[in-house]
Amino acid sequence: GNSVTQMEGPVTLSEEAFLTINCTYTATGYPSLFWYVQYPGEGLQLLLKATKADDKGSNKGFEATYRKETTSFHLEKGSVQVSDSAVYFCALTTDSWGKLQFGAGTQVVVTP
Amino acid sequence: DGGITQSPKYLFRKEGQNVTLSCEQNLNHDAMYWYRQDPGQGLRLIYYSQIVNDFQKGDIAEGYSVSREKKESFPLTVTSAQKNPTAFYLCASIGGARTEAFFGQGTRLTVV
Repeated sequence: GNSVTQMEGPVTLSEEAFLTINCTYTATGYPSLFWYVQYPGEGLQLLLKATKADDKGSNKGFEATYRKETTSFHLEKGSVQVSDSAVYFCALTTDSWGKLQFGAGTQVVVTP
Repeated sequence: DGGITQSPKYLFRKEGQNVTLSCEQNLNHDAMYWYRQDPGQGLRLIYYSQIVNDFQKGDIAEGYSVSREKKESFPLTVTSAQKNPTAFYLCASIGGARTEAFFGQGTRLTVV
């Protein structure tokens, strides 16, 4: 079956630091990959996605590249802000209906 | 504005009572999903529906029930058989393969 593994948190950073959250996956077929973000007390919202190997998703300064050879989709941001404090979920789908498999989530705390 | 709406945002119930959480979407999506989120944990799939009048059990369906009588609506009932119902419940809809999921704001259920 499909599975997603992402690094455990919390990850605590100072403002303007570089952020990396590792995500690796196992999947049958050719998955589409996603990063979702959850701010405190809210639902999830899509941050970025990639649908085929070597695609790079980007949004709000965040980037992730679909690496088929290493089955990875690591999230990066060059300079974080306090407002980036949230829980980040890596997810994949191989389902024709789009059913998602989520990682456990990584909490990121950015301090001033 | 298109979106997905969950209500209520907070819900308190006594132990042994059934309770129904509402989820409505006006995105014209066929597929809808219910997830449970416990503190510091990822999302676990409870039930999903890919078409009206049909639904499937997810990974943790015991103690829950759903219906899908209309495309727009996918209510979740937490029954008295659910041993530990206190959690944050998220509803989502997806418009098709490899497209993003849209989430509601969640319902925080507390059973006392």
